[in-house]
Amino acid sequence: EVQLLESGGGFVQPGGSLRLSCAASGYMFDKYALGWVRQAPGKGLEWVSSLSASDGNPFYADSVKGRFTISRDDPKNTVHLQMNSLQVEDTAVYYCAKDQYSTPSNFDHWGQGTLVTVSS
Amino acid sequence: SYVLTQPPSVSVAPGQTAKITCRGHNIGGRSVHWYQQRPGQAPVLVVYDGTGRPSGIPERFSGSNSGNTATLTIRRVEAADEADFYCQIWDGVSSDHYVFGSGTKVTVL
Repeated sequence: EVQLLESGGGFVQPGGSLRLSCAASGYMFDKYALGWVRQAPGKGLEWVSSLSASDGNPFYADSVKGRFTISRDDPKNTVHLQMNSLQVEDTAVYYCAKDQYSTPSNFDHWGQGTLVTVSS
Repeated sequence: SYVLTQPPSVSVAPGQTAKITCRGHNIGGRSVHWYQQRPGQAPVLVVYDGTGRPSGIPERFSGSNSGNTATLTIRRVEAADEADFYCQIWDGVSSDHYVFGSGTKVTVL
């Protein structure tokens, strides 16, 4: 059974940093792309960042490019999202999601999410 | 950037058919995926690559895609189907972005 467990969310002031982690299990971790999708309170889904498994290429939404960095630790079956220069607009539940394929396509499994609150 | 447009809401009586549209430029040439998100829960993939259905998803859920419109059809709607639904594509042509639609709230009357 595929499981994705996020951690690292919390409260941070504008301009601060947080590092989210997603521990994956139940499948061949290095064979599939992984990403992060967020959902602001009462809003829709917004893709944030993904990492291709086939070539290791990272992809970022325009709203976070230059501030967020995605990385993966294959021996630990973990993906991280380093979030710097956080803004109030980054407040959201952040979901870790596994792609169905090694290259970006869709998200066939999701974690339960971790809440990030950016406020002064 | 590529935009996917969904109606904000759809209402349907139990036992009837709900159709949720997702409009995008020449979307018929793309792989479209659909998610269901019940309140307080993570999204669940219900249709992939336009017409595929993941294991465990009822046959009542089906997808179609042509021209500028993709459609998620839910037949014999049940109360448990009430949720937000999102369409999504991977835009590898112009932006290398995953793109989500704005979401449609399905209300079962």
